[in-house]
Amino acid sequence: QSALTQPASLSGSPGQSITISCTGTSSPVGTYNLVSWYQQHPGEAPKLIIYEINKRPSGVSDRFSGSKSGNTASLTISGLQAEDEADYFCCSYKRGLLFGGGTRLTVL
Amino acid sequence: QVQLQQWGAGLLKPSETLSLSCAVYGESFSGHYWSWLRQSPGKGLEWIGEISHTGSTNYNPSLKSRVTISADTSKNQFSLNLNSVTASDTAVYYCARGRRWGLVTYYFDFWGQGTLVTVSS
Repeated sequence: QSALTQPASLSGSPGQSITISCTGTSSPVGTYNLVSWYQQHPGEAPKLIIYEINKRPSGVSDRFSGSKSGNTASLTISGLQAEDEADYFCCSYKRGLLFGGGTRLTVL
Repeated sequence: QVQLQQWGAGLLKPSETLSLSCAVYGESFSGHYWSWLRQSPGKGLEWIGEISHTGSTNYNPSLKSRVTISADTSKNQFSLNLNSVTASDTAVYYCARGRRWGLVTYYFDFWGQGTLVTVSS
């Protein structure tokens, strides 16, 4: 059982915005700004899309944004595109690295 | 552009030792920490451990007794050994470059392609 909780699945239509939440028990998300997000397409390695809550690596679309409120981090994808259909994982740190169980995003 | 290329045996029997290696291209091995992670359907993503160019290692306490991570800096390579494997070690294993905040690795910006390791009798 992951210490970071994400919704198992979400869906949205092209052009819409969706938000994936990541909630930690015992405040792993709230304590530090050490939250990152990864996108994973089937059969591929995870790809870093957000680090330190809201920073994007070079080359990552600005349609991806991150935020945090209290003990919940969020990933927002705006202007959904078919290529955004993938699994998304959050990660944080508290006395060890913690990963969320992943959210499968379906673009309808 | 940093690239990580990994390889190793994909089918093991219980009690055998898992051995994987990862070569780093396009980046100096020095100045970074290099990690192994794994992903299984039942347990999601799990960090296994890491090594620095100086040979300093850190391991996930849950695996520490069975894990050894080593490096050959002359080849820009690092390796994972996990002994006494069981079916619960079946997973896709990834090597990755970790980024640090102080003494803590907290995200991974470049990943290997992954190796499916199956443990079955």
